[in-house]
Amino acid sequence: NAGVTQTPKFQVLKTGQSMTLQCAQDMNHNSMYWYRQDPGMGLRLIYYSASEGTTDKGEVPNGYNVSRLNKREFSLRLESAAPSQTSVYFCASRGVLSPLHFGNGTRLTVT
Amino acid sequence: GDSVTQMEGPVTLSEEAFLTINCTYTATGYPSLFWYVQYPGEGLQLLLKATKADDKGSNKGFEATYRKETTSFHLEKGSVQVSDSAVYFCALSDSSEYGNKLVFGAGTILRVKS
Repeated sequence: NAGVTQTPKFQVLKTGQSMTLQCAQDMNHNSMYWYRQDPGMGLRLIYYSASEGTTDKGEVPNGYNVSRLNKREFSLRLESAAPSQTSVYFCASRGVLSPLHFGNGTRLTVT
Repeated sequence: GDSVTQMEGPVTLSEEAFLTINCTYTATGYPSLFWYVQYPGEGLQLLLKATKADDKGSNKGFEATYRKETTSFHLEKGSVQVSDSAVYFCALSDSSEYGNKLVFGAGTILRVKS
């Protein structure tokens, strides 16, 4: 039972580089989310997708783009990474009447 | 906007001690309230929830009661174990049972010593 799978687990980037964080879920959930977790600040919502084909901004969307490729996959792209984007990134998904299911996170360092 | 405030940690307890982690919230309307737990190296998991005033959520020996008059949702456990060491997050959503967007507190680290 895989649940929510995120890749990669760790990544180091230089300022200005780009990368895409991948997320896939196998629970047939409609909604998917990207959060970032920073010390002392809890989790903050970056973008979410309430259903396939739709995406919406969350609390901290600047510097990020997302793609809901299909029902299973929801990717997060950093076009030009900045040190302020050093964080742990979590993908989550949710069914109609179910709580969030989280992946194990991607630890990103931007130097 | 909506917000959640948790007591700062880390909280360090001996095994079998009583645990309280305070959580208060600010929200318009009538939010649902949640406690999530994050074990080392893992994502968050739902621990318990309450959807209306005076509801008590419970799971794995943990309890929390939705107190509208004090806008609080404190987490308690009567006797903690080493395996309870984790980060605990209080969260709220809009009026629907799970909502589309959760607002999280900063998290409280719990360390339990044997």
